[in-house]
Amino acid sequence: GNSVTQMEGPVTLSEEAFLTINCTYTATGYPSLFWYVQYPGEGLQLLLKATKADDKGSNKGFEATYRKETTSFHLEKGSVQVSDSAVYFCARGGATNKLIFGTGTLLAVQP
Amino acid sequence: GAVVSQHPSRVICKSGTSVKIECRSLDFQATTMFWYRQFPKQSLMLMATSNEGSKATYEQGVEKDKFLINHASLTLSTLTVASAHPEDSSFYICSARGSSNEKLFFGSGTQLSVL
Repeated sequence: GNSVTQMEGPVTLSEEAFLTINCTYTATGYPSLFWYVQYPGEGLQLLLKATKADDKGSNKGFEATYRKETTSFHLEKGSVQVSDSAVYFCARGGATNKLIFGTGTLLAVQP
Repeated sequence: GAVVSQHPSRVICKSGTSVKIECRSLDFQATTMFWYRQFPKQSLMLMATSNEGSKATYEQGVEKDKFLINHASLTLSTLTVASAHPEDSSFYICSARGSSNEKLFFGSGTQLSVL
């Protein structure tokens, strides 16, 4: 089965609202964890990552903390903007540099 | 940053036809390319890994005779869906990397609909 589980979308928020997109993983050991973002019409881009427990990845106001106790890597942003509307993918590192993705979560931010 | 161009972005075809999807690295040499597939409401799943000049490595459950991957140059990989059927309708994404420690760059994806 899938070893990365993220919350189902779509998530619809008003501008300046607080965002959380949940992500949990299953793995042996401590894999690297990633959030990718796909803006409309573009390829996936790495948003942030964390390579070990308790690391916090951050970029463009987004943050995610590697929690080994809860095997989670939830994505948060304090105040979303319309330009943050995109699909967000949680992923973990796998064997031989492969990435294992979640289903993606569509975020729609309304003005 | 590095760009990966994937096309077509959308293709609709009749059952039984073959469809070719191209993935190009525009400003770097892609030693390794990956092909993913995503069915609605499911995860982005790795189909195969290809290294330039060698045969692709397919993930378990992916038919190599159905999904033909060619990575003949350092800037181009193609995925051909042979004799496509409606169950092959999916979103296909490629990604490319220059070396094992470099970032992964993704194409924008191809939505395949087989009638």
